[in-house]
Amino acid sequence: NAGVTQTPKFRVLKTGQSMTLLCAQDMNHEYMYWYRQDPGMGLRLIHYSVGEGTTAKGEVPDGYNVSRLKKQNFLLGLESAAPSQTSVYFCASSYDRGESIRVAETQYFGPGTRLLVL
Amino acid sequence: AQSVAQPEDQVNVAEGNPLTVKCTYSVSGNPYLFWYVQYPNRGLQFLLKYITGDNLVKGSYGFEAEFNKSQTSFHLKKPSALVSDSALYFCAVRVPSYNQGGKLIFGQGTELSVKP
Repeated sequence: NAGVTQTPKFRVLKTGQSMTLLCAQDMNHEYMYWYRQDPGMGLRLIHYSVGEGTTAKGEVPDGYNVSRLKKQNFLLGLESAAPSQTSVYFCASSYDRGESIRVAETQYFGPGTRLLVL
Repeated sequence: AQSVAQPEDQVNVAEGNPLTVKCTYSVSGNPYLFWYVQYPNRGLQFLLKYITGDNLVKGSYGFEAEFNKSQTSFHLKKPSALVSDSALYFCAVRVPSYNQGGKLIFGQGTELSVKP
């Protein structure tokens, strides 16, 4: 299993440009999440999805949109990038319906995408 | 409001000494608690979790954590630190609501530095 993968690994954008970050998981997980990590602030949840075709807002959703058209993929979009969106973005997934609840609660993280908005 | 606090930004330990990374939480209901580790330029790796049962939880790489309900704490411990344990450690709590998608609330992280 590749686990959770993210593309791209690094990107530089100019203010106002748009881009899409791709997250893919091969663990048959129902739930997927997008976080951003900023120094001294831990990880903050942007959006999440509890299943194919469903998405919901997290703690810091403004300026981002998401889509979950396929169970294994979760896309994060920035329509008009701003310098405040400079961050490291992590995708995570969890919950295989075939697992016990004790196992299913663990989130597995991708390697991250570093985004710099100038 | 649900929250997680890691009161120390940095913990310095000599190799071979015991280490403790502190975490306290505030959440209604029975929490699910987690520790993750992040090495430089890497994603988060799961270390251990408390769901229910024995308050002392053992995890990867010799780490353990003790759930203390009365003190609302979940401190991470290791009896003998290694230089390779140097990393950023995050405590997290699962919001205990049905069908909430397993959302985690993270602490701000504690940088652990183990010197030879």
